[in-house]
Amino acid sequence: RKEVEQDPGPFNVPEGATVAFNCTYSNSASQSFFWYRQDCRKEPKLLMSVYSSGNEDGRFTAQLNRASQYISLLIRDSKLSDSATYLCVLYSGAGSYQLTFGKGTKLSVIP
Amino acid sequence: EAGVAQSPRYKIIEKRQSVAFWCNPISGHATLYWYQQILGQGPKLLIQFQNNGVVDDSQLPKDRFSAERLKGVDSTLKIQPAKLEDSAVYLCASSAPYAGLGGNEQFFGPGTRLTVL
Repeated sequence: RKEVEQDPGPFNVPEGATVAFNCTYSNSASQSFFWYRQDCRKEPKLLMSVYSSGNEDGRFTAQLNRASQYISLLIRDSKLSDSATYLCVLYSGAGSYQLTFGKGTKLSVIP
Repeated sequence: EAGVAQSPRYKIIEKRQSVAFWCNPISGHATLYWYQQILGQGPKLLIQFQNNGVVDDSQLPKDRFSAERLKGVDSTLKIQPAKLEDSAVYLCASSAPYAGLGGNEQFFGPGTRLTVL
């Protein structure tokens, strides 16, 4: 089983739609979780951290389920500018502060 | 604030040639990372430096890849000789000194797109 698994998509949704991405991970010792966003031919940028209690940032909501080892990202009221690849990222600590990236899920928001 | 700088942005070489990439992290960031991102994949860590020391190079193909950060600031990544499968974007990232359980945000440079023919 891969360390981080994501549905690669693409997800093609109309403007205004709600879309959700899931990510599963295999390392139960993973300490922290993030969603990074990567625009086409650009570098990844941190979108938001994911907390056990769930957290929201405007139209974006992230959830973590440690028992089932999955993370989710919900985008409400999709905008054209949300079109990008969303990378699920784990931090496993253990001294090296390594981030492990999933392959990413591609989102295209259509007018 | 200036971001992570990388050069060159693009490089095309033939297999068996050598190539070097340069990275200058955000000022004050002690930790520097080199990632390889193959098309359709997420970034994969190659090597991590803390100041001028190597923290983790377990995924660096040491028979052909090398990296250094001699003065604890900028860094170079070299491939010698290159293979076709080395075609990828090479991303450099940096982060501030560790401050908490969750690790620190990594800031990425624009990357160097390498094509090996």
